[in-house]
Amino acid sequence: QKEVEQNSGPLSVPEGAIASLNCTYSDRGSQSFFWYRQYSGKSPELIMFIYSNGDKEDGRFTAQLNKASQYVSLLIRDSQPSDSATYLCAVNLNTGFQKLVFGTGTRLLVSP
Amino acid sequence: DGGITQSPKYLFRKEGQNVTLSCEQNLNHDAMYWYRQDPGQGLRLIYYSQIVNDFQKGDIAEGYSVSREKKESFPLTVTSAQKNPTAFYLCASSIWGRQTGELFFGEGSRLTVL
Repeated sequence: QKEVEQNSGPLSVPEGAIASLNCTYSDRGSQSFFWYRQYSGKSPELIMFIYSNGDKEDGRFTAQLNKASQYVSLLIRDSQPSDSATYLCAVNLNTGFQKLVFGTGTRLLVSP
Repeated sequence: DGGITQSPKYLFRKEGQNVTLSCEQNLNHDAMYWYRQDPGQGLRLIYYSQIVNDFQKGDIAEGYSVSREKKESFPLTVTSAQKNPTAFYLCASSIWGRQTGELFFGEGSRLTVL
């Protein structure tokens, strides 16, 4: 089992719809969770992080964490074509040192 | 402006040559990292450093070497021992010990072996 798993996609949504991206992780002791957006050929940029169970909202983005079920999700409301990118989930494992493990990413396509 | 600068952005190498990728940060971050990204794969950790003059191997350190002589700098050498070096290399930094531990990335260096 991979430490961090994401569906590779592509996930296709029409403009204005809600995009839902999911991520599961294997280490129950994981401390913090991150969503990065990566445009083709570019480096990842941090969108949100979350470390408490529940929802965290920032503008059109909402991160949801459920530690009991070991999943974290990212909702993008009012999706725009500019949101088309690969979204990487990263988990800070409970390994005693600060190390992020990344999923392979989900490609999101928002059509006008 | 604070940030992480990687150079060169593109690099071509002949087989058997060592190459060094530069990474400089002015964020005053303690920790620095090197990741490798291949198509269809996530980022994989090569090396990381918590403080000056100390660094640790990550998951795929074979064929790579690093140094950390200054807080601001963390160069990566891709040696001829690395069997498949063509990849996108990302340098990152963070504030060590902070609970959230978010990474800030440079723009990346794309290495192609001819």
